Amino acid sequence: DIQMTQSPSSLSASVGDRVTITCRASQGISNYLAWYQQKPGKVPKLLIYAASTLQSGVPSRFSGSGSGTDFTLTISSLQPEDVATYYCQKYNSALIFTFGPGTKVDIK
Amino acid sequence: QVQLQESGPGLVKPSETLSLTCTVSGGSISSYYWSWIRQPPGKGLEWIGYIYYSGSTNYNPSLKSRVTISVDTSKNQFSLKLSSVTAADTAVYYCARVSFESSSFPPYYYYYYMDVWGKGTTVTVSS
Repeated sequence: DIQMTQSPSSLSASVGDRVTITCRASQGISNYLAWYQQKPGKVPKLLIYAASTLQSGVPSRFSGSGSGTDFTLTISSLQPEDVATYYCQKYNSALIFTFGPGTKVDIK
Repeated sequence: QVQLQESGPGLVKPSETLSLTCTVSGGSISSYYWSWIRQPPGKGLEWIGYIYYSGSTNYNPSLKSRVTISVDTSKNQFSLKLSSVTAADTAVYYCARVSFESSSFPPYYYYYYMDVWGKGTTVTVSS
């Protein structure tokens, strides 16, 4: 069973900072990875799929990279509206989906 | 645009069966996968399972023995049943559409992602 970890579990950064969140799979998952943003009290929202493809309508300050076991979500210039918990999600050939534990992002 | 709406009892007694329905509006249930996800209070997201419009399913191995997901294409709805519930099943339950697309070049891989979510419904398990 492939496990997903995320680091850090939480972070606090200033507006305008570059923020990087890491997601790691215990075995290679190619680029079968998506990222979701969940603002406090809100519904999760798809940001990125196929590890690096930006979902339509998502601001370009969000980007994803990686393949195999190590993936990153980068916010190039943190904005107040980006306060949220970010989850990575992988799937396998049987379409078993697994979410990472989440990374909570706050404004310093 | 496609919208999803969860419905069902907000309170379920321990050992009973939780039943929820997701109604798809603004589009057809055909040609997509549909999923249930839950989120216990203050915790992360847990995928429960999916159903394809044709009826094929797969479930989270940790819940498989208690979960059944079904689809009614005539009503544009899919449903979740979770049996023998305990307090640990208290959560916000979301339904979501699972879209997919293929890579641009061979070998062709399919990429799956949950791009439309319902607003979620809170289910509490308590006597």
